[in-house]
Amino acid sequence: AQSVTQPDIHITVSEGASLELRCNYSYGATPYLFWYVQSPGQGLQLLLKYFSGDTLVQGIKGFEAEFKRSQSSFNLRKPSVHWSDAAEYFCAVGPFGNEKLTFGTGTRLTIIP
Amino acid sequence: NAGVTQTPKFRVLKTGQSMTLLCAQDMNHEYMYWYRQDPGMGLRLIHYSVGEGTTAKGEVPDGYNVSRLKKQNFLLGLESAAPSQTSVYFCASNSRGVGQYEQYFGPGTRLTVT
Repeated sequence: AQSVTQPDIHITVSEGASLELRCNYSYGATPYLFWYVQSPGQGLQLLLKYFSGDTLVQGIKGFEAEFKRSQSSFNLRKPSVHWSDAAEYFCAVGPFGNEKLTFGTGTRLTIIP
Repeated sequence: NAGVTQTPKFRVLKTGQSMTLLCAQDMNHEYMYWYRQDPGMGLRLIHYSVGEGTTAKGEVPDGYNVSRLKKQNFLLGLESAAPSQTSVYFCASNSRGVGQYEQYFGPGTRLTVT
């Protein structure tokens, strides 16, 4: 069965600093991988996705993620965070050809001035 | 396009009462899902549908029923609400096309059962 681990429950970063959110997945074949963001009181919005090809994928709002098969990881990065990036971030994995996604438990990001 | 909409946005129920949550999408998506979100547990799949007239159980289906009579609508029912069903409920949908597995989410329904 597929699973996703987000080891950091809460991360605090200063505005303008770099960010990396960790995501590790467990799945036997090549997965589909996603990062979603949820602002307070809102639904989830897709930041980026990986299906195949280039392992470094670019998303919206200046985010990027790198798929590392050897480490079963899909970490999310941003070179310089803005106060508006404060939100909860979810990593998700789905097997090829299957519509169901498995979500991680989320990482809450706090930005300090 | 409105995308995915959910009705109602908030609801308070007493234990034992019933209610139906409505999800509607205008993107002609084949697949639709109901999740619940609880602190520290991420999103857990309740039920899903791969097409009109079909439904299937997800990870936490007990206490819930669903129906997909029209392609654009997916209803989630609670027949006898329990305090353990206090949660935020999200509906999502996606297309069946190859490489189209990202799900689009509604704004959520916050349900409190007292």
